[in-house]
This record gives sequence, C-alpha cells and structure tokens, in this order.
Amino acid sequence: DQQVKQNSPSLSVQEGRISILNCDYTNSMFDYFLWYKKYPAEGPTFLISISSIKDKNEDGRFTVFLNKSAKHLSLHIVPSQPGDSAVYFCAATYNNNDMRFGAGTRLTVKP
Amino acid sequence: DVKVTQSSRYLVKRTGEKVFLECVQDMDHENMFWYRQDPGLGLRLIYFSYDVKMKEKGDIPEGYSVSREKKERFSLILESASTNQTSMYLCATSRDRANSPLHFGNGTRLTVT
Repeated sequence: DQQVKQNSPSLSVQEGRISILNCDYTNSMFDYFLWYKKYPAEGPTFLISISSIKDKNEDGRFTVFLNKSAKHLSLHIVPSQPGDSAVYFCAATYNNNDMRFGAGTRLTVKP
Repeated sequence: DVKVTQSSRYLVKRTGEKVFLECVQDMDHENMFWYRQDPGLGLRLIYFSYDVKMKEKGDIPEGYSVSREKKERFSLILESASTNQTSMYLCATSRDRANSPLHFGNGTRLTVT
C-alpha cells in the first residue's frame, strides 16, 4: 500500500514556463516532506523539503507547497530549464522514522 | 560532500545464486538504508540500520537480509536470487533520524536470469 502517490508518470513543459509536480499522501502522521531529483545512471539527490508546520518553502527557482488538509504537496519550478529534465520523487517521513517515496514523475523540459 | 559508494554498477546473476550488494559511506553517518527502484513503484524500502549490528525490516524484506558489521558498510544479501529480484538497488545514508535528507549511491542494476 503506497502511502505516497505521484499520479502523473510524466510531464512535459516548454523552457521558461512553470513546471508543477504533484504528490498526495495518505498517512496523516507524516510531518516532513522532501523532493528528490534523479538523473539516469545516478542516485536521487535531495532538492528541497518542507516541515508540516509550514505551507511553503522556497529555494531559488524551486518552491514546495504543502496543503495538510488535502494531504497534498506540489513542487513548482520557475522558470523551467532543459537541465531540470529528470525524474522527481516525492518522499515523506514521520516521527524520525524511515522515508517513504512516491513512484516518481518524469519531467521533460523542451528547449 | 557525502560519498556513498556501491561496489557494482551492473550485476548479472543466475537464479538460486547468493548475491552480495555492498555499500560503503565515508561521512560517519549513523543511518543506512537499502531501497529498490522499479518502474511505476518508485523506491521501496527493503532494510535499514540505525547502528552497527542493528537492522530493521522495511516494507519488502522478504528474500533479503542485511549485514552491518562496521559503521561505514551496509551489505544487502539475496540468499537465493530469483527473477523477481531483478531491479535497481539503491543504498542511502543519513546523518541522524531528525528529518535528515538521504544521500544515495549511484545504484546497482541487478539482473537475475
């Protein structure tokens, strides 16, 4: 039973536009959420995170939004660049416990 | 920078073989994890360890075991490899339990024929 769900397996956007990647979770105990980025033949790398006490966290072109009542979070990339093309994984954890991941969304940014 | 090294990038084994996947980290992190990545399923936790000689089952431990004799090394063992264990295996570490991001190795692509 996947507690973290990414329902869009792929997303394609034009360079310079906004990319929005979505993630839903079922476990209301989750208190910390993360996004990872994965290029082919490499391990995932940490991108940005958000605590459940916040609803927004921003780092340069990347912003993560958390809607606790809807159990939904999203990653916004503005402006999108071709180098952002990768698979993005949403992850969640609670009570200092082990991390659960979504299935991933493959983002393609077209020049 | 944390370095997490997985001993093999690609591995091909036969059904029934015993398989060892090795992971070594150089940053003195307490926590180590083994995940497998499959299309449409994302990363699923197999086993993890918060200390030397300590291990905990993740979501899919069946058919696997682990060993952590030293802090820097965490081994995943497939006692008798099966074709449904063909996958990408990812080792990860973290500094402590309190909401620390994971640092991943580059993965081992295992094919069981």
